[in-house]
Amino acid sequence: DTEVTQTPKHLVMGMTNKKSLKCEQHMGHRAMYWYKQKAKKPPELMFVYSYEKLSINESVPSRFSPECPNSSLLNLHLHALQPEDSALYLCASSQASSGYNEQFFGPGTRLTVL
Amino acid sequence: GQQLNQSPQSMFIQEGEDVSMNCTSSSIFNTWLWYKQEPGEGPVLLIALYKAGELTSNGRLTAQFGITRKDSFLNISASIPSDVGIYFCAGRSPAGNNRKLIWGLGTSLAVNP
Repeated sequence: DTEVTQTPKHLVMGMTNKKSLKCEQHMGHRAMYWYKQKAKKPPELMFVYSYEKLSINESVPSRFSPECPNSSLLNLHLHALQPEDSALYLCASSQASSGYNEQFFGPGTRLTVL
Repeated sequence: GQQLNQSPQSMFIQEGEDVSMNCTSSSIFNTWLWYKQEPGEGPVLLIALYKAGELTSNGRLTAQFGITRKDSFLNISASIPSDVGIYFCAGRSPAGNNRKLIWGLGTSLAVNP
């Protein structure tokens, strides 16, 4: 299985809502990533988990809260978002070995904040 | 943050034509990755390069890791309509965190049938 899955595909939320994005991979990868992508721009790294521990936080606002319950799952909890947070949120995974940098992406969650 | 210089920014070609795009960096890289992204989807990895001078093919796609380690190119031969999308290069600097990729701004490809 070489697939990264993400749910939901689309999400519309108000600024006072709490929601969660979910990501799952079964490739045995021990590094997982959250990216934010605006239209026609490259992905921007938000968080990296390595062996289920948060290893990189790219100064992301606290209204985004990541969680890695186990080696296959990655969540992104959303609370009190702003309209400018509307974007495509991408999950990716890779082997944890330092020499292997191939990141495999899921299809993304299209988030709209009203 | 650091970005790669990717060119051209966009291309509009006729079906059957060959396509070439490239990425350059001001510093050396030890990994080059090429992704394709279609509207509403995540980036799909096309080719990964790990050695200077390496030339790798994937069907009609060919990519090379420049010998100076500061550039890479991607060629698409005999383009077809389903080649439409945005192509991103991404690389890893040996001086940086090995989990962080540095991205080009993308080449948007349109193919006229």
